[in-house]
Amino acid sequence: GENVEQHPSTLSVQEGDSAVIKCTYSDSASNYFPWYKQELGKGPQLIIDIRSNVGEKKDQRIAVTLNKTAKHFSLHITETQPEDSAVYFCAASGMGGGADGLTFGKGTHLIIQP
Amino acid sequence: DSGVTQTPKHLITATGQRVTLRCSPRSGDLSVYWYQQSLDQGLQFLIQYYNGEERAKGNILERFSAQQFPDLHSELNLSSLELGDSALYFCASSVPSGGDTEAFFGQGTRLTVV
Repeated sequence: GENVEQHPSTLSVQEGDSAVIKCTYSDSASNYFPWYKQELGKGPQLIIDIRSNVGEKKDQRIAVTLNKTAKHFSLHITETQPEDSAVYFCAASGMGGGADGLTFGKGTHLIIQP
Repeated sequence: DSGVTQTPKHLITATGQRVTLRCSPRSGDLSVYWYQQSLDQGLQFLIQYYNGEERAKGNILERFSAQQFPDLHSELNLSSLELGDSALYFCASSVPSGGDTEAFFGQGTRLTVV
């Protein structure tokens, strides 16, 4: 089955700096890569996703890049703000969307230092 | 608010007992997924139901079972509870896979086994 590795487990950055979280996956058939943000006391919430037919996707301060050959994808957050502090999960699936067949990474605790 | 409702929010019970966790999916979503989140294992997929039928099974113990009812709400039953079953249990719902679908997570049920 699919295996998703996520690094780092904890990331501390100064407010206003950029943050990068990296994930690798094992199954070359995976074609859908969502990123979830989980705030304290809440469930994970989808913040951005990318499908295997594109290499990069942006949404305001958030971007995701995908390298299918190397089987890795990354989340980039620019101009970080205190409200970006949360746990971020990457995931991979071969089912094209939704939550079917999603395998999650173990999460990155992002800390934004004022 | 994701539109997915989970009850109860917190549950404390003794070892050997049985509990039932309830999930109401978003209106119109036919798929319901159950996940277990523990500190060391991250988000682990347990089981998926689609329109009342079991569709996929993950790392679900034999002591655990689930069902989805005609009104599409789902219940996760955990029996012969052990200390190691203490975790956050999330329910998610989505339209069936493929295309521009998104999985929406509830706020979770925190289970503490003492």
